[in-house]
Amino acid sequence: RKEVEQDPGPFNVPEGATVAFNCTYSNSASQSFFWYRQDCRKEPKLLMSVYSSGNEDGRFTAQLNRASQYISLLIRDSKLSDSATYLCVVNRAGAGKSTFGDGTTLTVKP
Amino acid sequence: DTEVTQTPKHLVMGMTNKKSLKCEQHMGHRAMYWYKQKAKKPPELMFVYSYEKLSINESVPSRFSPECPNSSLLNLHLHALQPEDSALYLCASSQGLAGGRTDTQYFGPGTRLTVL
Repeated sequence: RKEVEQDPGPFNVPEGATVAFNCTYSNSASQSFFWYRQDCRKEPKLLMSVYSSGNEDGRFTAQLNRASQYISLLIRDSKLSDSATYLCVVNRAGAGKSTFGDGTTLTVKP
Repeated sequence: DTEVTQTPKHLVMGMTNKKSLKCEQHMGHRAMYWYKQKAKKPPELMFVYSYEKLSINESVPSRFSPECPNSSLLNLHLHALQPEDSALYLCASSQGLAGGRTDTQYFGPGTRLTVL
């Protein structure tokens, strides 16, 4: 089993839709969590850090469930510009390195 | 400012060439990372530097040689590469090491390497 697993996707949604991605992690020592977006042939860009209390940034909401060991990303009112690959990143305490999920590809269509 | 810069943007090299990739950040970050990314795959960690010292080498072949001349710069020296080494090479930095309290990583734009 992979240490970090994401919904395999791809997700194809119409503009204006609400879409949610999940990411599960297996190591209970994991302590920091992030969502990055990556456009084709570009670098990953930080979308949100994920906190235990949940956090929201405009149309984007991230949640962390430590008991069930998963994080989620909710995108409301999808825009064409949201089309990208979304990477879940989990850092284990003291590991010195990050573990990436395989990414979930979202395509928002007109 | 969360900028990490990388040069060159593109690099084409033959299998006998020697070249170097450069990465720079001026955020005062003390951890820097090299990743390799193939198409439709997540970034794959190669090296981690912490306070200018190599802290992680993910069993990378010796044809890749990292160097951290100072706290702002990270180089990746390339020699005798193979065509399968063609990929996007990403540099990242964070204030502290991943797994610590200040471990948000910021990525540079990458160098797209083609080995002929």
